Formats: sequence, structure tokens, C-alpha cells
Amino acid sequence: TQLLEQSPQFLSIQEGENLTVYCNSSSVFSSLQWYRQEPGEGPVLLVTVVTGGEVKKLKRLTFQFGDARKDSSLHITAAQPGDTGLYLCAGGDNAGNMLTFGGGTRLMVKP
Amino acid sequence: EPEVTQTPSHQVTQMGQEVILRCVPISNHLYFYWYRQILGQKVEFLVSFYNNEISEKSEIFDDQFSVERPDGSNFTLKIRSTKLEDSAMYFCASSVDSLSTQYFGPGTRLTVL
Repeated sequence: TQLLEQSPQFLSIQEGENLTVYCNSSSVFSSLQWYRQEPGEGPVLLVTVVTGGEVKKLKRLTFQFGDARKDSSLHITAAQPGDTGLYLCAGGDNAGNMLTFGGGTRLMVKP
Repeated sequence: EPEVTQTPSHQVTQMGQEVILRCVPISNHLYFYWYRQILGQKVEFLVSFYNNEISEKSEIFDDQFSVERPDGSNFTLKIRSTKLEDSAMYFCASSVDSLSTQYFGPGTRLTVL
């Protein structure tokens, strides 16, 4: 069984601060997807990384896939109140049949 | 932008009743999935479906669950005899192929009384 551990579970910061969310596993994933989920809604895709060592940037968000494809990080620069939400990482298995989700990081950015 | 849609948004049912949750995947996608999220817990994989067959299912997906693609656009999840512990958000997802990004619908909140 593949597991993804996400940390921290909760994060409360001031506007303008930087933060990093981590997603770790002992298993290798074929891809790693980051989603954002609002209360009562479905996960909305932010980015997919598929190559070990890959780095993708989405405005102030930087996503990295570990060299061994076992871990990933999400870094937000100069966080804004609009970044408040639940961030989920999800790893794809090699057969592509399922995603394994992390437990999520609930981020609150205070103005 | 194409999106996955789900109906109903909220379903309330009595324990022991059958429910059918409906999804319309993105039109050119070939792989379909169901996940569930019990309140306050992780999103959990239920089943994947391709070419009118189940590709993989989790331990959660027991004999009480079934999936079907009754026509060219809908993908359904049926729970034959609901239990209290089936109360959760159920998400449908679809992807172009097995290794591509999965796009999620807005979910159906199932409440079993």
C-alpha cells in the first residue's frame, strides 16, 4: 500500500511570508499532482510533475518533484490571503489506475 | 474549459436504500474514477474504469458498489444498500489516458440517515 505523508497539517502565516509544504513517501510514484480544495468542492488541479527533479512554477507557487520521485514540495512566495485553502498532494501509481492522496495542508494567510 | 460534472450535489437517503451517483466525464477522456472523502479524512480511491471494465478497485469497493457507463456520456456509481458509514463526499474524475492528470468533479455529498 502506498502512503503519502503531507506536512504540516496546518499552517497559519501573515501576508507576505513564504512557506513550504512537503509531501513524502517511501514509494515511487509515476507522477505527483497538487490540488487545491475549497470546502464542499472537488479538488482543483494546480500542477502535475512527472520527471524526477522537475520544477514547475505557477506565479508565486513553485512545485518540485524529488529526484527519486518519492517526495514533492510546494513553495509559496509572498503568501496572500487569497492563497488560503486546503492543499492536497496526490501520487499516481505506475499503472495509472489510482491516485494516493496526502492528508492535506490547511493554509491560512492573515492580512 | 471542459469540466467534469456530477449530480446530484447532495443526496440524502435512508440506510438500506439504493443510491446512484452520476457523473459526466470530460468528453475526450477515456479513463474514469470514483473517489470518496469522509468528513475530515483523506480522499480515498474507490475504483478506476476503462473500456467498459473495472481496471482496479480498492478494498472499500465491495459487492455493495458497482459502476457503469450506461451511454456515451454518463458514468455512474451505485451503492446497493447504503450504510451509515457510506456518508461522504463522492468525487468522480476522468483522464485522457491512464498516466495523465485526473480532473475532478465538484462532488456529491451523500448523507445516509
